[in-house]
Amino acid sequence: KAGVTQTPRYLIKTRGQQVTLSCSPISGHRSVSWYQQTPGQGLQFLFEYFSETQRNKGNFPGRFSGRQFSNSRSEMNVSTLELGDSALYLCASSFGQVAFFGQGTRLTVV
Amino acid sequence: GQSLEQPSEVTAVEGAIVQINCTYQTSGFYGLSWYQQHDGGAPTFLSYNALDGLEETGRFSSFLSRSDSYGYLLLQELQMKDSASYFCAVKRDNYGQNFVFGPGTRLSVLP
Repeated sequence: KAGVTQTPRYLIKTRGQQVTLSCSPISGHRSVSWYQQTPGQGLQFLFEYFSETQRNKGNFPGRFSGRQFSNSRSEMNVSTLELGDSALYLCASSFGQVAFFGQGTRLTVV
Repeated sequence: GQSLEQPSEVTAVEGAIVQINCTYQTSGFYGLSWYQQHDGGAPTFLSYNALDGLEETGRFSSFLSRSDSYGYLLLQELQMKDSASYFCAVKRDNYGQNFVFGPGTRLSVLP
């Protein structure tokens, strides 16, 4: 089985812009979660989608949003980018108790 | 609040045994997981404990004590390739993939 695929791998955006990141989960996995990883804050949970519905949400502002499609692929969107949004954004799909992570999208906001 | 604590760094030599501790304080507990992340790589699953006791998987073992809100990851016969960051993570609900991660422990294995 192919692993979790995230695109793009690297992205540079300007403050105030918006960005959309994509995640294709492992075939058959219906749960997709998103995490933000930074050196200062570590791995922080953004939200989880299951069967096209947001099932859980972390403590992030409304500028961070996501969605899931009928084929379980997921996108997350960040609007009005701030410098502090620079981070590695990781997507994970799960089966049972195990989360399988993608390689992440490295977002740099300048 | 939700908090997990781990040592920030651990150093050991090849062939040695190292234990990485994790204490947690979370609302909702449905298990403790451990993940390994090499620099520039994705976190990869190592182990999961839902019940008290020791789980062994090859060179890695993980322990959980729910009454003490404590767990640890034990790495035996250390190899250079084990140099990585290790994260403990608490699963906060039974049906979802809602994890809170610890700050990570940077393990350096020396020759």
